[in-house]
Amino acid sequence: DTAVSQTPKYLVTQMGNDKSIKCEQNLGHDTMYWYKQDSKKFLKIMFSYNNKELIINETVPNRFSPKSPDKAHLNLHINSLELGDSAVYFCASSYGQGSYNEQFFGPGTRLTVL
Amino acid sequence: AQRVTQPEKLLSVFKGAPVELKCNYSYSGSPELFWYVQYSRQRLQLLLRHISRESIKGFTADLNKGETSFHLKKPFAQEEDSAMYYCALSHNFNKFYFGSGTKLNVKP
Repeated sequence: DTAVSQTPKYLVTQMGNDKSIKCEQNLGHDTMYWYKQDSKKFLKIMFSYNNKELIINETVPNRFSPKSPDKAHLNLHINSLELGDSAVYFCASSYGQGSYNEQFFGPGTRLTVL
Repeated sequence: AQRVTQPEKLLSVFKGAPVELKCNYSYSGSPELFWYVQYSRQRLQLLLRHISRESIKGFTADLNKGETSFHLKKPFAQEEDSAMYYCALSHNFNKFYFGSGTKLNVKP
């Protein structure tokens, strides 16, 4: 009965590879997000989708492409991985748009690029 | 530019002592401020938001627009309060800005 799930939990890969991280929420929320937590522990928003529509796209390299097949899923695909992509990636969801909506976070995916 | 600053990476207090986790923000408008908490081996979750003016688990936070601060306070810390605490700001729909977090360690 996990609310927001991410797979995989850990991902170790070589530079230049392409990888995907999946996120699913069973809360019936309309809005989903991807965050990146860097080595200094800052959480930075990358993308936000509302009902499968992209509404926030922070200055993220084009190598990062989110895909939302339906409002319960928001996957993150990363092309040509670089060392600087190593981080913990968190998926989150909320009931709707508007900052008053509580965000529910997934457990995170630790990506290590060698 | 970093919008949310949490100056302390680690804060250690003894059980029963008062605790204050500092958060300063930079934003010229009327932001909404939040505190999120991550207990050991659990997910990041909302603790409280300034708009609700609520007290959760004994914690309170007052938005001080003059000082652009939103410090989290609790008069008597408990061991179970040990966790990572993140201050967050939102100003436009779902754009959230998180601080770097403060690890609170409450010693017995």
